[in-house]
Amino acid sequence: DAGVIQSPRHEVTEMGQEVTLRCKPISGHDYLFWYRQTMMRGLELLIYFNNNVPIDDSGMPEDRFSAKMPNASFSTLKIQPSEPRDSAVYFCASSQHRGNQPQHFGDGTRLSIL
Amino acid sequence: SQQGEEDPQALSIQEGENATMNCSYKTSINNLQWYRQNSGRGLVHLILIRSNEREKHSGRLRVTLDTSKKSSSLLITASRAADTASYFCATDARGRGGSEKLVFGKGTKLTVNP
Repeated sequence: DAGVIQSPRHEVTEMGQEVTLRCKPISGHDYLFWYRQTMMRGLELLIYFNNNVPIDDSGMPEDRFSAKMPNASFSTLKIQPSEPRDSAVYFCASSQHRGNQPQHFGDGTRLSIL
Repeated sequence: SQQGEEDPQALSIQEGENATMNCSYKTSINNLQWYRQNSGRGLVHLILIRSNEREKHSGRLRVTLDTSKKSSSLLITASRAADTASYFCATDARGRGGSEKLVFGKGTKLTVNP
C-alpha cells in the first residue's frame, strides 16, 4: 500500500513568494494532520482535518498560512507571503477513525525561504 | 504546547547494548505512543500503550507506563546500528471542540556505534 505522499520533497524560494505544499493521505484514513518541525520548537501541529473538514487550526502561526482539503485524497498547505522564519520541514500525516490513533507520516517537505 | 518530554536529549551507545529512553507528561492520557524518525524521513509509529496497560512488548522493544508518575520508558534491547534515529513519545490530547489529537515531545537522539 502506498503511504502518505508529499510533494515537493524540497522547496527553495525567495521571501515574499507563495509556497504550496501538497499531501495525499492513505486511502480510507479519516484524519489528516499538518505539522512543522524545527530544531528550536520540535514538531508542532498546525491544523488537522476530519472527513475533509478543518477541526482545529489553532496551531496555524499566522494568517499567512492556510490549508485546504477539497477531497479525501488531497490537501494543500499554503504560505503567502513566505518569510525566512517559515523555513522548516513540513510533514503531513493521516490516521484512521480517531485523531489519537497511530499516525502515518509522509517524508516531509524541506522548505527554505531565502 | 509540549505535553511529553523525552529524556535524555541524546544517547550514544555501542552495538549490542540496551538503550532506555524516558518520557514524562503532564495531564491524564488515554494512550501514549512511541515513534522513530530516521534522518531525512517522516516519523514511523512503533508502539501504542493504553492508560490501563503497564507494559507492552514488540520485538526488541519494551514500553512501560506509570500513570501515577505520568511517565513512560522505551527500552531497545540488543541495539543495532540501524536503530540510530530520533525517538519521540506522543500523548493524546484534546483539541478545539474536544477533538482528539497527538502532542509530540522533542525526542531523544539515539546513536548506536558499530
